Amino acid sequence: QQQVKQSPQSLIVQKGGISIINCAYENTAFDYFPWYQQFPGKGPALLIAIRPDVSEKKEGRFTISFNKSAKQFSLHIMDSQPGDSATYFCAPNTNAGKSTFGDGTTLTVKP
Amino acid sequence: KAGVTQTPRYLIKTRGQQVTLSCSPISGHRSVSWYQQTPGQGLQFLFEYFSETQRNKGNFPGRFSGRQFSNSRSEMNVSTLELGDSALYLCASSLGTASNSPLHFGNGTRLTVT
Repeated sequence: QQQVKQSPQSLIVQKGGISIINCAYENTAFDYFPWYQQFPGKGPALLIAIRPDVSEKKEGRFTISFNKSAKQFSLHIMDSQPGDSATYFCAPNTNAGKSTFGDGTTLTVKP
Repeated sequence: KAGVTQTPRYLIKTRGQQVTLSCSPISGHRSVSWYQQTPGQGLQFLFEYFSETQRNKGNFPGRFSGRQFSNSRSEMNVSTLELGDSALYLCASSLGTASNSPLHFGNGTRLTVT
């Protein structure tokens, strides 16, 4: 059972554009919804996260939108920069301490 | 605060051998999780330890095992290596006391099995 479905698999955006990555989940026990960013040769690092009691969270150019009824959440990167080129993972988890990672989205921002 | 440290960074082993990977978590973190990352399978959860006890386990064969010591440091062992075990093995630590404890990853151990 694929509990987390992330899309698109890859994304190419022009500098200054908006990047949008989506994550759909099945497990209604998930109660923490983070996005991780991974650069080549590095481990993933927490980018931004949301709890299900809010529908949106913004940190600088990064925004999470959360739709509990649709069981989806998305990452929006405004004014995308070449330095944002990385792989992004959604990784919802439960209070049982186990994160389930999406397959990842490779973002390329062209200058 | 020092980050998560994984050693060694690179390993080359032969089929049939065994290997032990090490992870030192962030000071104060009691949970350590291990993930296997491959181009085809993404990030696959191996297991999680909290206060020296295995709390969660992924769908990997028994050749993959781990343990956690009283100082929260963790080791992962893979016995009877197969070519398909070639991957980046990532360790992540967290406070582990609630679902909103983010994972802090090390930079991984790149294992190549020949």
